[in-house]
Amino acid sequence: GQQVMQIPQYQHVQEGEDFTTYCNSSTTLSNIQWYKQRPGGHPVFLIQLVKSGEVKKQKRLTFQFGEAKKNSSLHITATQTTDVGTYFCAGPDNQGGKLIFGQGTELSVKP
Amino acid sequence: NAGVTQTPKFRVLKTGQSMTLLCAQDMNHEYMYWYRQDPGMGLRLIHYSVGEGTTAKGEVPDGYNVSRLKKQNFLLGLESAAPSQTSVYFCASSPFRTGYSGELFFGEGSRLTVL
Repeated sequence: GQQVMQIPQYQHVQEGEDFTTYCNSSTTLSNIQWYKQRPGGHPVFLIQLVKSGEVKKQKRLTFQFGEAKKNSSLHITATQTTDVGTYFCAGPDNQGGKLIFGQGTELSVKP
Repeated sequence: NAGVTQTPKFRVLKTGQSMTLLCAQDMNHEYMYWYRQDPGMGLRLIHYSVGEGTTAKGEVPDGYNVSRLKKQNFLLGLESAAPSQTSVYFCASSPFRTGYSGELFFGEGSRLTVL
């Protein structure tokens, strides 16, 4: 079946270092969404990418959608302790009725 | 605005007991979802609903039932709880059909332990 894979599973960085998580789908996606979940919290929507090759920025966060619309990445510049949490990508299934989540990348930031 | 509210937030069950998780949203969203979250496995869809009176199976529906009698409520039931159902359960709602333009709004989660 359709799968959304995310790497790495864990990432430990020193505060101020950059961080990137990668998302790959087994099928072409109509769009991709990114969510952040703080420890003990619930997922919160960050952004949606729709166009092939699209790049969007939110302050220190840069989101990219691949040209083939099968992969995406989230890059955080100069991480801060407030960036701690798990980042999920999610894409719609082939029928478009359900959102399939990647396994998530857990980011820890050492002050 | 409360958004998406889940009750209860914590529950401990014995194997074989039944229970119902309630999800309520006040955003007039058509679509509602139940996910479970287990370490290292992301969020897996249990059941979902595209409108009042409709439900559909997700990735891991076995052992669960759902009902959407009112647009604002989505109930998740466990008829005979098993230890494998120990998890954190998240309800979510969306104003559009997921896969097109709808972001998910999540509740705060319900932590269920089955002994």
